[in-house]
Amino acid sequence: KAGVTQTPRYLIKTRGQQVTLSCSPISGHRSVSWYQQTPGQGLQFLFEYFSETQRNKGNFPGRFSGRQFSNSRSEMNVSTLELGDSALYLCASSFQGLSTDTQYFGPGTRLTVL
Amino acid sequence: AQSVTQLGSHVSVSEGALVLLRCNYSSSVPPYLFWYVQYPNQGLQLLLKYTSAATLVKGINGFEAEFKKSETSFHLTKPSAHMSDAAEYFCAVSWDSGGSNYKLTFGKGTLLTVNP
Repeated sequence: KAGVTQTPRYLIKTRGQQVTLSCSPISGHRSVSWYQQTPGQGLQFLFEYFSETQRNKGNFPGRFSGRQFSNSRSEMNVSTLELGDSALYLCASSFQGLSTDTQYFGPGTRLTVL
Repeated sequence: AQSVTQLGSHVSVSEGALVLLRCNYSSSVPPYLFWYVQYPNQGLQLLLKYTSAATLVKGINGFEAEFKKSETSFHLTKPSAHMSDAAEYFCAVSWDSGGSNYKLTFGKGTLLTVNP
């Protein structure tokens, strides 16, 4: 069974630009969650989507948004990029969501904002 | 909001020695607890989880953790470290933020170094 895939793996953008990251979950998984990982703040929860609906979100500004498609693939968008948005963005998928399910993580997208 | 504290951002052990990685959580209700491992340039992989069943949980690669409610702890142990255990380890808590919508909160991580 194929694992969680994220594209692109690496991205370089400049301040003020916007970026879209993609996550393809494991087949059959309906929950996709997103995380930002930085050396200073560690792993922080961005949001979770389940069956095309955002079920929960973390404490990030509205510049961070996402969506989920009918095939469970998810995209995350960051508008008006800031230097502090440089991070590894991880997505994870599971059958039911974030309660007791094991989360299967992708390798991440490394975003650098110049 | 729930929080997770991992004591020691960096732990160094000798090969064959006991591994002990500490995790404390704050929760007013029984939590769901997880340990994940991250190898360089990879995503996270589940080691083990506690979901209100047995308090001693066994995971992959010889790791285990014990849920202690009185101490609000979920420390990760392995009797004998192997070079391949060198990685970053994250403790996480899953909690209901309202309406049965869960969030996952991670600790800051502990980098484990294994010396030959």
